[in-house]
Amino acid sequence: DAGVIQSPRHEVTEMGQEVTLRCKPISGHNSLFWYRQTMMRGLELLIYFNNNVPIDDSGMPEDRFSAKMPNASFSTLKIQPSEPRDSAVYFCASGRGGSNYGYTFGSGTRLTVV
Amino acid sequence: GDSVTQMEGPVTLSEEAFLTINCTYTATGYPSLFWYVQYPGEGLQLLLKATKADDKGSNKGFEATYRKETTSFHLEKGSVQVSDSAVYFCALSFSGGGADGLTFGKGTHLIIQP
Repeated sequence: DAGVIQSPRHEVTEMGQEVTLRCKPISGHNSLFWYRQTMMRGLELLIYFNNNVPIDDSGMPEDRFSAKMPNASFSTLKIQPSEPRDSAVYFCASGRGGSNYGYTFGSGTRLTVV
Repeated sequence: GDSVTQMEGPVTLSEEAFLTINCTYTATGYPSLFWYVQYPGEGLQLLLKATKADDKGSNKGFEATYRKETTSFHLEKGSVQVSDSAVYFCALSFSGGGADGLTFGKGTHLIIQP
């Protein structure tokens, strides 16, 4: 079991550029979550999917953010255009069944927008 | 809305000291409760959980008891080690018949000195 795999580990981009973060969940997990972590706001749930369908995207900060899950083994989080205030660590997590089982987190993508 | 409140850090202790990290929650209904741990440069790892009142979660010498009366889930360990140095997050979730996201506290940074 390779765990939840995120890429890239680090991303530095200029303001206004498009950024795409990638996530491969654990095989057999049917739920996928994107979180953002900053010192000021802590961990924030951005969006989650069940069986590849977006269930709740109320945490997505604004229209510049979008997420897709085209199949059970891949998801992307896109920011277009990026801004310096988007700088954070973005985590993907996956799980199986109800939340009582807990979720497995990836190692995160550290995004810096300059 | 639902929320989790943790004691502010950093918490600095000497090796073999007793640890308590306080966590209280606000929620309508009875959520599942979790403690996650984050080591430097890594994602969050599930440490322990409890799904109903009076349940005790335990793992790696850590314990926490789900107290409905006080809406609390304090984390304890009898004798901490330097390797326990990390950030600890308390979280809650409602299963609702399907997977849903976790609501996290701000995290407590624990530093154990030899």
